Amino acid sequence: GAVVSQHPSWVICKSGTSVKIECRSLDFQATTMFWYRQFPKQSLMLMATSNEGSKATYEQGVEKDKFLINHASLTLSTLTVTSAHPEDSSFYICSAPGRGGTEAFFGQGTRLTVV
Amino acid sequence: GIQVEQSPPDLILQEGANSTLRCNFSDSVNNLQWFHQNPWGQLINLFYIPSGTKQNGRLSATTVATERYSLLYISSSQTTDSGVYFCAVGSDYKLSFGAGTTVTVRA
Repeated sequence: GAVVSQHPSWVICKSGTSVKIECRSLDFQATTMFWYRQFPKQSLMLMATSNEGSKATYEQGVEKDKFLINHASLTLSTLTVTSAHPEDSSFYICSAPGRGGTEAFFGQGTRLTVV
Repeated sequence: GIQVEQSPPDLILQEGANSTLRCNFSDSVNNLQWFHQNPWGQLINLFYIPSGTKQNGRLSATTVATERYSLLYISSSQTTDSGVYFCAVGSDYKLSFGAGTTVTVRA
């Protein structure tokens, strides 16, 4: 299978600060990556689609000015949570299609805690 | 959007037992995947199965696309099978997840 790596695995930040999460495809090029969010004991919800070289597309209800997505290369997408608040505390996880384009693979996720 | 329903929500098994998890979805899809989420949150790919039947060790899956459902079979369950199992469907790699089935296997 494909390898998708996320960094950091966990982060604690103060309310009002910004946090950047990286998602890398290690062994293939990904023109599209996806960002999901999972609250405790809940399922994963798609937040946005990250498009290499163009703007991200956001799902309904997701604030694009709060969750900044940059996909500057074929192997890296970043999600920046700006002016984080405690309600942004969640598990953020990215995905990318594998080589051969048959299935999606996920990073290990980032647990964000805003205090 | 596509609705994905998983059942049962919770499943408690004795080690060695067999079980079936179900996933119903509301529209035609070209991607259906089953995942196991480990205690650290990572999603482990179990099957990519938009149609047909696949087997991998003690796990197997069947998707009947025309009837919009998929089944995941766990045979001879082990304590390491415990965790949350998710079904996810969608177009290409953009996935909608079900609520998951929490499986607890007791020794």
